[in-house]
Amino acid sequence: ETGVTQTPRHLVMGMTNKKSLKCEQHLGHNAMYWYKQSAKKPLELMFVYSLEERVENNSVPSRFSPECPNSSHLFLHLHTLQPEDSALYLCASSQSPEREGQGTQYFGPGTRLLVL
Amino acid sequence: KNEVEQSPQNLTAQEGEFITINCSYSVGISALHWLQQHPGGGIVSLFMLSSGKKKHGRLIATINIQEKHSSLHITASHPRDSAVYICAVLPLTSGTYKYIFGTGTRLKVLA
Repeated sequence: ETGVTQTPRHLVMGMTNKKSLKCEQHLGHNAMYWYKQSAKKPLELMFVYSLEERVENNSVPSRFSPECPNSSHLFLHLHTLQPEDSALYLCASSQSPEREGQGTQYFGPGTRLLVL
Repeated sequence: KNEVEQSPQNLTAQEGEFITINCSYSVGISALHWLQQHPGGGIVSLFMLSSGKKKHGRLIATINIQEKHSSLHITASHPRDSAVYICAVLPLTSGTYKYIFGTGTRLKVLA
């Protein structure tokens, strides 16, 4: 049973639109992650927030903008995306990696994004 | 070439069969995870291993650190086991959260 929720589950947007993905975790964790999963490719880590501070930006284009207002919520703001950005975007949470070491990450169900 | 390779990429089995999925990696690691992803996207962590063997129900995971290899076994497979199984490793040099993921093994168990 996952304690990580994501909305929306599906999103279709045009290249000029602005949209946001939302992630919420109910597990008391203090680290949150955004991953991108494209067809036939491994999961790619995009951003990591630990104790509400961004600790990792994995060379992600600026058209993706994360926001972590508190330890339970994580957003991914999208603007002027490209068709190749179509993918499954997964959120995960864990105990703060700096404090817990190899903490297990708990994943949300993902948002399937299609950019037209 | 990905630093984490899984085999096979696709696997179809009959209900009740014993299934093995393999993961080989090329870097020194501090931990390895096996993840299960069902259709629709949700991912569940099955095991975290740093040595030896773990068992949970019909699932068994083993790791050989010297050979840089891990296996996930499913005994008495069932159609509900149909999913993508993903191996993820935590390299020794990458800090505590930068996992490297395999591309997954797509398993289909037929009734």
